[in-house]
Amino acid sequence: AQTVTQSQPEMSVQEAETVTLSCTYDTSENNYYLFWYKQPPSRQMILVIRQEAYKQQNATENRFSVNFQKAAKSFSLKISDSQLGDTAMYFCAFSHHNAGNMLTFGGGTRLMVKP
Amino acid sequence: EAGVVQSPRYKIIEKKQPVAFWCNPISGHNTLYWYRQNLGQGPELLIRYENEEAVDDSQLPKDRFSAERLKGVDSTLKIQPAELGDSAVYLCASSLGGAVYEQYFGPGTRLTVT
Repeated sequence: AQTVTQSQPEMSVQEAETVTLSCTYDTSENNYYLFWYKQPPSRQMILVIRQEAYKQQNATENRFSVNFQKAAKSFSLKISDSQLGDTAMYFCAFSHHNAGNMLTFGGGTRLMVKP
Repeated sequence: EAGVVQSPRYKIIEKKQPVAFWCNPISGHNTLYWYRQNLGQGPELLIRYENEEAVDDSQLPKDRFSAERLKGVDSTLKIQPAELGDSAVYLCASSLGGAVYEQYFGPGTRLTVT
């Protein structure tokens, strides 16, 4: 069974600064996918960024980038130039074909961006 | 394009009462998921449908929970009877299928059992 761990229950960052959210996972699979989802207060969950395990290059989406360390089973999210709208719960998630593509989520990190 | 639609958004019931949640996935998405999200935690899968077939329901408490996806489109999740521990947000998601594809989530139904 896969597990996903987010060790930072809460974090805060000043507007315009950079913050990194941590995620580690455990799996015996070799081909899998990792995701960061954002869940704003009282709003629905949306995908922030996706990483395919067979790709060595770290994924980037505008201000969001990941540091994927496959050997260490680590998948951190870096948010640059933080904005007030980035305030949300962030969930790290894992999926692979052998598990029916279901997402296994971490416990989440609550990020507060301060003005 | 319309997103995943869920109703109701909020539901308050007394324990032992039945409750049902409805989900309409994005058009063309053959895979539908129901997740339960307890307060302050990440979502956990309850059941996954490929078209109208439930292909993974190992986490669904079958003594009180049931689900159906008629004609491979809309889906209903039912709890009967509800217990206090069922209070949570029930999320529906859909995708084109396959681990690489993004899952699109609905707004969820927040259930409170008193």
